[in-house]
Amino acid sequence: EVQLVQSGAEVKKPGESLKISCKGSGYSFSTNWIGWVRQMPGKGLEWMGIIYPGDSDTRYSPSFQGQVTISADKSISTAYLQWSSLKASDTAIYYCARQSNWAYDFDYWGQGTLVTVSS
Amino acid sequence: DIQLTQSPSFLSAYVGDRLTITCRASQGISSHLAWYQQKPGKAPKLLIYAASTLQSEVPSRFSGSGSGTEFTLTISSLQPEDFATYYCQQLNSYPLTFGGGTKVEIK
Repeated sequence: EVQLVQSGAEVKKPGESLKISCKGSGYSFSTNWIGWVRQMPGKGLEWMGIIYPGDSDTRYSPSFQGQVTISADKSISTAYLQWSSLKASDTAIYYCARQSNWAYDFDYWGQGTLVTVSS
Repeated sequence: DIQLTQSPSFLSAYVGDRLTITCRASQGISSHLAWYQQKPGKAPKLLIYAASTLQSEVPSRFSGSGSGTEFTLTISSLQPEDFATYYCQQLNSYPLTFGGGTKVEIK
């Protein structure tokens, strides 16, 4: 069974750094792109970027380029999303999702990680 | 970037109603479109990919159609468990944008 399990909720202060994770199982982690999606409170889905764990090829949305870093460690089947300096506006739920190899949709999703940034 | 405009953004319907949601792309995307359902507090769930292919185990009352710039998601007979928010996503070119969502509520 394909599963993506994300790390737990985080409460941080503005200016702090953070790295959240997404661990895949039940399939060959290296051979499917993994994407990250933001959902701010009460709002819609925003595509942030995507990484191919096999070679760490990464693509970012222009809206998020330079604001976050996406990485992956294929040896432990885990993708990451990190911030070097959080802002209150980063408060959101962050989902990871596996991209299918045929139609490129997100066919499996993690449960989401709530990040709260507040002073 | 390719913009996706969903309409309506909100609709209220009865159980048993036939429902159609539209997603318009700002430029042609062939059939590179997916539809997702999201319930409160849950991750999105894939319903349809390649514009019209039903994901495994998704009920057949859901269907998708369209190509180019105009797409529709249809629910043939709305069930209580279908009350949720629906999103389209284009998979034609980066960034892989989502539509703004359509919230379906019980009338």
